[in-house]
Amino acid sequence: DAGVTQSPTHLIKTRGQQVTLRCSPKSGHDTVSWYQQALGQGPQFIFQYYEEEERQRGNFPDRFSGHQFPNYSSELNVNALLLGDSALYLCASSPGTGGYRDYGYTFGSGTRLTVV
Amino acid sequence: KNEVEQSPQNLTAQEGEFITINCSYSVGISALHWLQQHPGGGIVSLFMLSSGKKKHGRLIATINIQEKHSSLHITASHPRDSAVYICAVGETSGSRLTFGEGTQLTVNP
Repeated sequence: DAGVTQSPTHLIKTRGQQVTLRCSPKSGHDTVSWYQQALGQGPQFIFQYYEEEERQRGNFPDRFSGHQFPNYSSELNVNALLLGDSALYLCASSPGTGGYRDYGYTFGSGTRLTVV
Repeated sequence: KNEVEQSPQNLTAQEGEFITINCSYSVGISALHWLQQHPGGGIVSLFMLSSGKKKHGRLIATINIQEKHSSLHITASHPRDSAVYICAVGETSGSRLTFGEGTQLTVNP
């Protein structure tokens, strides 16, 4: 049973460019959350997708956008890249949003984005 | 002040030592997670708990809801336990996680 799959694993982009990161959730999970982890810090919540809609959003600018597809996979898009966007981007899937008391998270290995 | 505080930030131990990492939080939670992150970046979920105590092998996690405090213990530590250990809480109002800064653990042989 595959866990969460993220692609690509590493990426180098130039300031001002746009990037798309991809995530396939664990089988049976329908909720996808994205996190940004700067070096030496804990992950910060970007947004969460459920039923192809953004359900919650963290304190990130509109340059960060996302999408969830009918098969529950998700994309994270970042426009007009800044040097400060360099980070590890983690995707986590969970089995639904009802109740919250029994959710289990599965994390991907992340995409390391470097903006030069 | 961060909503989730971990201590210590860095911890160095000798193989075989008993290790404790602490986590305090200030928000209402549905559950608290202890996670392990290796240098490659991937995160592994160790425990999810909302009350009491859980044990898995040499790892023990406890939580005191009234005091808003949790501890992760590692018994008979081993160099392969070297990693960043992260505490994260699931907020009552949703399933987003709020993370602590992590504790870098190094176990020397």
